[in-house]
Amino acid sequence: NAGVTQTPKFRVLKTGQSMTLLCAQDMNHEYMYWYRQDPGMGLRLIHYSVGEGTTAKGEVPDGYNVSRLKKQNFLLGLESAAPSQTSVYFCATQPGQGAKEQFFGPGTRLTVL
Amino acid sequence: QQQVKQSPQSLIVQKGGISIINCAYENTAFDYFPWYQQFPGKGPALLIAIRPDVSEKKEGRFTISFNKSAKQFSLHIMDSQPGDSATYFCAASRALNYGGSQGNLIFGKGTKLSVKP
Repeated sequence: NAGVTQTPKFRVLKTGQSMTLLCAQDMNHEYMYWYRQDPGMGLRLIHYSVGEGTTAKGEVPDGYNVSRLKKQNFLLGLESAAPSQTSVYFCATQPGQGAKEQFFGPGTRLTVL
Repeated sequence: QQQVKQSPQSLIVQKGGISIINCAYENTAFDYFPWYQQFPGKGPALLIAIRPDVSEKKEGRFTISFNKSAKQFSLHIMDSQPGDSATYFCAASRALNYGGSQGNLIFGKGTKLSVKP
């Protein structure tokens, strides 16, 4: 039972390159979230999903896209990376409507040069 | 617009002392107030949470105090230990189906706690 896993753990990109971050969960949770964490800024919501095939924008969605083709996976894409996207990215899951606890993955540290 | 304001940014406490972290919110529609704990290199994990129908909740050495009229809530860590050294985040969320937000959590900016031996 791995919980929430994120791939990769670290990545360095050059400006303009693209990449996809993968979040996988084995808890059968309905809701999934992508956050970014920057020093002194807390956790800011990028995109979220309330079920397979659904996605919605969060607080800071610009420059990112997401997909939830399978219930257990939530992908975060950067089409053309910018230095401002240098951050630590966290995926989180939530059982569903009635339970509000979110379970976080270990994070992906992304540096854009 | 920051909807959840957390203070202090950093806190140093001696072992055995009491650590107090405060949060203030603006939106009276918030109905769930959790605290998350994050160790370096790890993801945040739920520590304790409270709903506005109670004024205090205690779990071991951790207590949330909630003041609905002042729109404030705080985390108290009694008998603080070096192992409590971490970053703490308060958060708040609205009732589900309010404005279509699905009850997303809004986090404070975090407090880095250091407990000195």
